Amino acid sequence: ETGVTQSPTHLIKTRGQQVTLRCSSQSGHNTVSWYQQALGQGPQFIFQYYREEENGRGNFPPRFSGLQFPNYSSELNVNALELDDSALYLCASSPRFHYEQYFGPGTRLTVT
Amino acid sequence: GENVEQHPSTLSVQEGDSAVIKCTYSDSASNYFPWYKQELGKGPQLIIDIRSNVGEKKDQRIAVTLNKTAKHFSLHITETQPEDSAVYFCAASRSSNFGNEKLTFGTGTRLTIIP
Repeated sequence: ETGVTQSPTHLIKTRGQQVTLRCSSQSGHNTVSWYQQALGQGPQFIFQYYREEENGRGNFPPRFSGLQFPNYSSELNVNALELDDSALYLCASSPRFHYEQYFGPGTRLTVT
Repeated sequence: GENVEQHPSTLSVQEGDSAVIKCTYSDSASNYFPWYKQELGKGPQLIIDIRSNVGEKKDQRIAVTLNKTAKHFSLHITETQPEDSAVYFCAASRSSNFGNEKLTFGTGTRLTIIP
């Protein structure tokens, strides 16, 4: 059974640019959540997707957007990057009707 | 919204001793409390969780206790080993029959096991 995978592993972008991060959920998991983890902090919830629709959103501006595809994989898009967007972006998947969320290894984004 | 506080921020224990990490939460409607272990360069790994209908859960050397009245829960690791060294996060969530939406995390505890 393949776990949650994310790509790319690392990414360096310039302020004002746009970035797309990708996530493949664990086999059989149809719900995907995205979190931002700043250095030395706990993960913060960005949003969740189920059946290709947003199913809850945290306190993040609209320039953070996402997609979920029919195969349950997901993308996180961030527009107009700011220096404070530098963080580890984590994707977590879970089966519907289950409480557990399983995290991928994350994408380390650095904005210069 | 939910607020989760976690203590201590760092903890060093001798190999073989026990470690305890404590968390408090603010939302009385929270009903699911997982614990994650995060090693350097990796994503958080779910190690144990507890739901609000039980007061304690144990899995080998790891146990979690929940006090709903006081709104706090704790992670207990017994017979600690060097591979237990990592950052541990508690989290809380208001979950429904459809599953779990938002996890609210604590700020983490860096546990170091001294050989």
